Amino acid sequence: GEDVEQSLFLSVREGDSSVINCTYTDSSSTYLYWYKQEPGAGLQLLTYIFSNMDMKQDQRLTVLLNKKDKHLSLRIADTQTGDSAIYFCAERYDYKLSFGAGTTVTVRA
Amino acid sequence: NAGVTQTPKFRVLKTGQSMTLLCAQDMNHEYMYWYRQDPGMGLRLIHYSVGEGTTAKGEVPDGYNVSRLKKQNFLLGLESAAPSQTSVYFCASSYGEGSDTQYFGPGTRLTVL
Repeated sequence: GEDVEQSLFLSVREGDSSVINCTYTDSSSTYLYWYKQEPGAGLQLLTYIFSNMDMKQDQRLTVLLNKKDKHLSLRIADTQTGDSAIYFCAERYDYKLSFGAGTTVTVRA
Repeated sequence: NAGVTQTPKFRVLKTGQSMTLLCAQDMNHEYMYWYRQDPGMGLRLIHYSVGEGTTAKGEVPDGYNVSRLKKQNFLLGLESAAPSQTSVYFCASSYGEGSDTQYFGPGTRLTVL
């Protein structure tokens, strides 16, 4: 598989913005994804971005893609306690997804 | 629609025992996948299928076998379980075109003693 890297932990105060970063290696990736995993649950798709886009916004979520640097970020505005979870970045290659190790986001009051 | 379901939810095996994990999807998806999730390592692809009757190896296929006899079901087998196979197993499915979003099941937590 391809290598996808993300920082492992992020702590953020409730109401602040969270920014989760990810780097990937396959320049031919067509889609990049952000998934959320809550404790004891499966992965839930949050959003995705097509590789010819620079930005995608969906309510509180903003995805930025820098293809030149192979860098993807997810910004969560007005972070809430329900946003505490593990966030996975993934890139698509062939029919498959390659996942990062996940960023654990902890929201503190 | 139930989406993607997995059975069982939990299982404890002794080394050398065998078992089969069942994944079912009701979205008429062509593609199905099996992943394992270990702490600090994200998800790693074990096997996948691009249609009924087809299977292919993923990143970590050793010690596992799969079958896709029906489009809606994807079975993962462990013939002789080892402690290194203690993990959480996730099944996913997708249409295989467009954004090809993968939809995940709730997972099976397997412990091999």
